[in-house]
Amino acid sequence: DQQVKQNSPSLSVQEGRISILNCDYTNSMFDYFLWYKKYPAEGPTFLISISSIKDKNEDGRFTVFLNKSAKHLSLHIVPSQPGDSAVYFCAASAVGPYAGGTSYGKLTFGQGTILTVHP
Amino acid sequence: NAGVTQTPKFQVLKTGQSMTLQCAQDMNHNSMYWYRQDPGMGLRLIYYSASEGTTDKGEVPNGYNVSRLNKREFSLRLESAAPSQTSVYFCASEPQGWWGSPLHFGNGTRLTVT
Repeated sequence: DQQVKQNSPSLSVQEGRISILNCDYTNSMFDYFLWYKKYPAEGPTFLISISSIKDKNEDGRFTVFLNKSAKHLSLHIVPSQPGDSAVYFCAASAVGPYAGGTSYGKLTFGQGTILTVHP
Repeated sequence: NAGVTQTPKFQVLKTGQSMTLQCAQDMNHNSMYWYRQDPGMGLRLIYYSASEGTTDKGEVPNGYNVSRLNKREFSLRLESAAPSQTSVYFCASEPQGWWGSPLHFGNGTRLTVT
């Protein structure tokens, strides 16, 4: 049973346009959400996170939106650049800081979305 | 500034053989994790160690054992490899008690079991 789902295996956008990557989750206990970016032959690298007490978090070109009632989060990249081409994983944790947990690394990942940004 | 180092990068095993995947971090992090990545499945947690001297099972621990040798090193052992264990294995670490701290991943070990 996939508790975190990324239903789009791939996304293709033009340079300069917006990329929107989506993620749905089913576990109501999840209270901390993250996006990781992965290049081939490398490990995932942290991109941006959001706690369940917020509905938006912004870091430069990257913004994550959380809709708790819909159990949905999305990552917006504006403007998209060719260097953003990678696999993007969303991840969720049920032991975040507001749940009193001490370890945020027990993550449940989605399947990943391959983003291709064309020049 | 190595971060999280995994060895080997690639390995081919025959069914029934054993091997140990090595992981070391130089960031003085307390917690360490082993994940596997399979096509269409994302990353799944195998085992983790919240601190030196402790280990716990994750989502998919069957067929694996781990050792937290010291604060720096966390190894993953396959006692009798099976084709279902063909995967890319990632080790990760994180500091303790810092809100928002993300996992820091190594570059992975690609394992093929024939």
